[in-house]
Amino acid sequence: GQQVMQIPQYQHVQEGEDFTTYCNSSTTLSNIQWYKQRPGGHPVFLIQLVKSGEVKKQKRLTFQFGEAKKNSSLHITATQTTDVGTYFCAPQRTNSGYALNFGKGTSLLVTP
Amino acid sequence: NAGVMQNPRHLVRRRGQEARLRCSPMKGHSHVYWYRQLPEEGLKFMVYLQKENIIDESGMPKERFSAEFPKEGPSILRIQQVVRGDSAAYFCASSPGDGDQPQHFGDGTRLSIL
Repeated sequence: GQQVMQIPQYQHVQEGEDFTTYCNSSTTLSNIQWYKQRPGGHPVFLIQLVKSGEVKKQKRLTFQFGEAKKNSSLHITATQTTDVGTYFCAPQRTNSGYALNFGKGTSLLVTP
Repeated sequence: NAGVMQNPRHLVRRRGQEARLRCSPMKGHSHVYWYRQLPEEGLKFMVYLQKENIIDESGMPKERFSAEFPKEGPSILRIQQVVRGDSAAYFCASSPGDGDQPQHFGDGTRLSIL
């Protein structure tokens, strides 16, 4: 399958600092989705990236898809305590069905 | 608009018993996915179903696990003769159809094996 590596595994920041998580694949991806999971909660869809070099913004969140479509990143500007959670990148399978191959995620802790 | 409904939220079973997890997709969604999440891990794909059809079960263990999505009623993930290693959170997700669409997740079922 289209497995991805996410780094870092954990990140602890002070409120107001920036945060970035990276997602890397050894193979070219058709697309990639990002999800956020709060502690004890379920994954919630954030964004989907499809095009090479694509950049999408959602308020303080910026998502990028690499030119070679092998990596992606999520950057949060000026973190807030509400950003706490685990962020997963998940490329979508294309060989059969459209299941997601989740990375292990980056757990973000924001302290006031 | 009701989201993806999973029940029960928590399920406790003794080793050797059967566990049945239910998932009702969002209204209008005909595609259902089951994922398993171990503590501190990402979600692992198990099975993808459409009404009355298993499309992809490549992530599901060959023994003891089965899934169905009947014409009427919820999708069921069934685990027979549970073992301690089956303890995990099981999430169901649904999407409206084929293609690269977002998946909407239920709250999950936390399965604990005594």
